[in-house]
Amino acid sequence: GIQVEQSPPDLILQEGANSTLRCNFSDSVNNLQWFHQNPWGQLINLFYIPSGTKQNGRLSATTVATERYSLLYISSSQTTDSGVYFCAVERTDSWGKFQFGAGTQVVVTP
Amino acid sequence: GAVVSQHPSWVICKSGTSVKIECRSLDFQATTMFWYRQFPKQSLMLMATSNEGSKATYEQGVEKDKFLINHASLTLSTLTVTSAHPEDSSFYICSAHPGGGGGRETQYFGPGTRLLVL
Repeated sequence: GIQVEQSPPDLILQEGANSTLRCNFSDSVNNLQWFHQNPWGQLINLFYIPSGTKQNGRLSATTVATERYSLLYISSSQTTDSGVYFCAVERTDSWGKFQFGAGTQVVVTP
Repeated sequence: GAVVSQHPSWVICKSGTSVKIECRSLDFQATTMFWYRQFPKQSLMLMATSNEGSKATYEQGVEKDKFLINHASLTLSTLTVTSAHPEDSSFYICSAHPGGGGGRETQYFGPGTRLLVL
């Protein structure tokens, strides 16, 4: 099956800092999404981005499908950005079924 | 946006008992729902796909007799953990897709259910 690797596994940031999270995937995908899991476990959909670049406020994402990676940028980080960020790709053999990466644990300190 | 709820949000039970978890789409009809399991400090793993009016399909390694899934209506799927044991303790998350031409990105996740088996 498709492999999804995220890096770094952990990230500690001071408030106001910028950061980049990476997601590598092993095969072509129809759908790639970035999620933020808050401390209560709720998954929040950040971006649907199988290719190209999108921005939403302080967050932006870029997927280079031909090179099989995606990047999530966090600018001017805030303590509310803390949590786990997951990259998930939809398996090409099965519509709607996500393969999640291991996640990046982000801690933003005041 | 669309809302998916889960009930209960957390449950503690004794080993050997069965536990039912509900996943509801509140403002849309979900032809397909997915059930995921997440162990502490780990990622989400897909357990099964639930389609309204048909049998669920399970991922490799997931015991269908252990995790019973029923998708009896377009707004409700249930996951029953039968004869639960401590190793079944986990965070169970459902997601729902409206189908009917909704884009690939229109899949909504519930808030999850924490199960602790003593």
